[in-house]
Amino acid sequence: SQQGEEDPQALSIQEGENATMNCSYKTSINNLQWYRQNSGRGLVHLILIRSNEREKHSGRLRVTLDTSKKSSSLLITASRAADTASYFCATDDTDKLIFGTGTRLQVFP
Amino acid sequence: NAGVTQTPKFRVLKTGQSMTLLCAQDMNHEYMYWYRQDPGMGLRLIHYSVGEGTTAKGEVPDGYNVSRLKKQNFLLGLESAAPSQTSVYFCASIKGGPKGGYTFGSGTRLTVV
Repeated sequence: SQQGEEDPQALSIQEGENATMNCSYKTSINNLQWYRQNSGRGLVHLILIRSNEREKHSGRLRVTLDTSKKSSSLLITASRAADTASYFCATDDTDKLIFGTGTRLQVFP
Repeated sequence: NAGVTQTPKFRVLKTGQSMTLLCAQDMNHEYMYWYRQDPGMGLRLIHYSVGEGTTAKGEVPDGYNVSRLKKQNFLLGLESAAPSQTSVYFCASIKGGPKGGYTFGSGTRLTVV
């Protein structure tokens, strides 16, 4: 399978805490993207980081990329109950994206 | 502006029946994709299209066919449904390939009994 892997598979935290999710992938990339999926809904694009970038921020999201280790991490700071969702990384492969297996994040009020 | 619309949202099929899932986008996107999502498996690519009249196989194409006769529509067909095709199917589109974020539909939940 070409899929990347994410860990942890599931993460439970309290509101206000930070959440960190990791993604490992297998092939060389031009960019890596993170998506959120609320229960029963489609995926929503969160942030894209290019292969020549090491870190990117968007609001409470911070993404890092280490191409030498073929890994990325997504940090959500000061989490909220509304952040409860599954989070997926995706890497580009010619004309398509390959998605990881996802991390289920539960944020308790 | 509807984005990506998938129909139907739910369907139950008997083994051996056929059906077509429709994906429609109104954003003038060139690239369109069909993924399936199964528990613990993430999203796996079935077929995709890089423009009107073109299609290509993804990671799990067996048992499915697709057509892209019009730029705005991407159809996914199951000729003879099997229980292994029970899944949630997502369509996605983007203007110029995976250099930016995809827009996803809300999914079709298919059960084959």
